[in-house]
Amino acid sequence: AQSVTQPDIHITVSEGASLELRCNYSYGATPYLFWYVQSPGQGLQLLLKYFSGDTLVQGIKGFEAEFKRSQSSFNLRKPSVHWSDAAEYFCAVTRGNKLVFGAGTILRVKS
Amino acid sequence: NAGVTQTPKFQVLKTGQSMTLQCAQDMNHEYMSWYRQDPGMGLRLIHYSVGAGITDQGEVPNGYNVSRSTTEDFPLRLLSAAPSQTSVYFCASSRDRGQETQYFGPGTRLLVL
Repeated sequence: AQSVTQPDIHITVSEGASLELRCNYSYGATPYLFWYVQSPGQGLQLLLKYFSGDTLVQGIKGFEAEFKRSQSSFNLRKPSVHWSDAAEYFCAVTRGNKLVFGAGTILRVKS
Repeated sequence: NAGVTQTPKFQVLKTGQSMTLQCAQDMNHEYMSWYRQDPGMGLRLIHYSVGAGITDQGEVPNGYNVSRSTTEDFPLRLLSAAPSQTSVYFCASSRDRGQETQYFGPGTRLLVL
């Protein structure tokens, strides 16, 4: 069965430091890949997505993600974190008509 | 555009009661879906619809019913609420199928006593 794994439940980084959130998936073919962000008490907002082509994709708010087929990974990165980036981040993968989410990673930013 | 709207924002139910969570979108999206969010489990798909009159089950459909009589509306019905259905429910829509960017509503927080 297709699954999405986000190995880190919580991550704490200092403001201004770089960030990498990990995502691994299991699927027989190259899926459509997404990263969503959820601020406290809010719905989810799309950060970026990968369908095909260039494996490094740029998103909103200065985020980027790299698709690595050999590692079945789609890690999210940001070079310099801002306090407003504190939120929960979800990796998601399509399976037919369905979107399958990882369990999420909570990002804390310390000043 | 209002995007995806959900009502109510918060609801308390007693075990065995039924209720309908409302979801509407004004973007003329064909694809709509319902998720529940529980701590440490991400979002799990309950039901989805690829167009008016067409619905299908997701990962966790038991205890929930849906219908899609119009493109705009996709209500979720709890037939007989159970404490295990305490959760935050999100409705989402996209232009076409699950591969497109999904737009999420603000959520409905449900507590079943």
